Amino acid sequence: NAGVTQTPKFQVLKTGQSMTLQCAQDMNHNSMYWYRQDPGMGLRLIYYSASEGTTDKGEVPNGYNVSRLNKREFSLRLESAAPSQTSVYFCASTDGPTYEQYFGPGTRLTVT
Amino acid sequence: QKEVEQDPGPLSVPEGAIVSLNCTYSNSAFQYFMWYRQYSRKGPELLMYTYSSGNKEDGRFTAQVDKSSKYISLFIRDSQPSDSATYLCAMNAGTASKLTFGTGTRLQVTL
Repeated sequence: NAGVTQTPKFQVLKTGQSMTLQCAQDMNHNSMYWYRQDPGMGLRLIYYSASEGTTDKGEVPNGYNVSRLNKREFSLRLESAAPSQTSVYFCASTDGPTYEQYFGPGTRLTVT
Repeated sequence: QKEVEQDPGPLSVPEGAIVSLNCTYSNSAFQYFMWYRQYSRKGPELLMYTYSSGNKEDGRFTAQVDKSSKYISLFIRDSQPSDSATYLCAMNAGTASKLTFGTGTRLQVTL
């Protein structure tokens, strides 16, 4: 049981480049989330998917898009990366109360 | 003003000390209160959760909620070097609601 996996672990982009962060969970969870974590700001919700086929904006969605590809996978796309998107990105999932979220190991993204 | 305030630390204590970590919040709708632990370069993991006011104990860890003061605490007894991590408080208004996180307090337990 791998839990929540994220790829890549690290990425460096130039301003204006695009990329997709991948997330997969093998716990058969319905709900999946994307967060970013910045010093002094804590974890902030970017987008979430309450169930397969649905996605909704979180607190900081601007500059991002998401795709819930199937029940297992939830990807986050940066269409035109900006230095302000330098952060650590975490994917999480749950199949019960939202307080019981399981997090992946994170992707460290630097935009220069 | 942030909905959830948490002192970022770092907090350094000797092994065996009692540690107190705290958060304050402003949204009176919050009903569920959680503590997540995050080791360096890892994702957060749920440590404890509490519903409404009161105390909850799990081994060396005690979570306390005072809704009248909008104040929550996590106590760690007999702290160990393995407790060295960042502790994030989080809260929400219901079991299906989104979480609001504090910024995290970095704890270092020294030998």
